[in-house]
Amino acid sequence: AQSVAQPEDQVNVAEGNPLTVKCTYSVSGNPYLFWYVQYPNRGLQFLLKYITGDNLVKGSYGFEAEFNKSQTSFHLKKPSALVSDSALYFCAVRVRRDDKIIFGKGTRLHILP
Amino acid sequence: NAGVTQTPKFRILKIGQSMTLQCTQDMNHNYMYWYRQDPGMGLKLIYYSVGAGITDKGEVPNGYNVSRSTTEDFPLRLELAAPSQTSVYFCASGSGGTTYEQYFGPGTRLTVT
Repeated sequence: AQSVAQPEDQVNVAEGNPLTVKCTYSVSGNPYLFWYVQYPNRGLQFLLKYITGDNLVKGSYGFEAEFNKSQTSFHLKKPSALVSDSALYFCAVRVRRDDKIIFGKGTRLHILP
Repeated sequence: NAGVTQTPKFRILKIGQSMTLQCTQDMNHNYMYWYRQDPGMGLKLIYYSVGAGITDKGEVPNGYNVSRSTTEDFPLRLELAAPSQTSVYFCASGSGGTTYEQYFGPGTRLTVT
C-alpha cells in the first residue's frame, strides 16, 4: 500500500538557522512528491513538487527539497528560517496512473525568534 | 480569479441532520477532491472526481455522498450527521496531467452535537 510518513510531529528551529522537515514514502512505482504548507485557519498551499529530473527541487518562499530514491525520502529544507515560516507542513505522494494523492500527518514547524 | 471557494465557513449540526457543503472552482480543472482534516491526523480523502459525471470513493467515504454535474461544482452531502463527522472539510481541485498539484479552498468547520 502507498504511504507517506512524517516522523516528527513538531520541529523547533531558531530564526536564521537552517531547517529540515523530514518525509519518507513507500510506493510501488515512480512517485510524484509534493510539499504543502498550511497557515492557521487556511487551506493548504502548494510549495513544491518532484516529478522527474534533478533531485533537488526549489519552490516557493525559499524552500527546497531533495529527492533520494535509495532512502525513499523527500526532506524539505531552507537555509535560513524566518519566524513567518512557522506553520503546518504536509508531505504528499502520488503514484503515476493513480488519481489520488496520499498526505502525511503533517509536521508543525516553530521558528523561534 | 477566485480559485476554489467553499460555503459555508462554519456550521453546527445536530445529530441526524443533513447538509450539503458547497465547492466551486473557476480554474476549469477536471480533478476535484474532498478531504477531512482531524487534529494530528493529516488529511483523509473522502471522495474525488476526475471529471463531470465521474466520482469515486476515497479513504473514508462512509456517511457522505457526492455528485459532479458540472466541471465547476463538486458538492459534498452529509446524510444523518454523526459526532464522528465533526471535522474541518477541504475541497481541492487540480488539472491533472503533468502538474498534479492541488489547489485548496479555505475549508468548512463542521461541528455535530
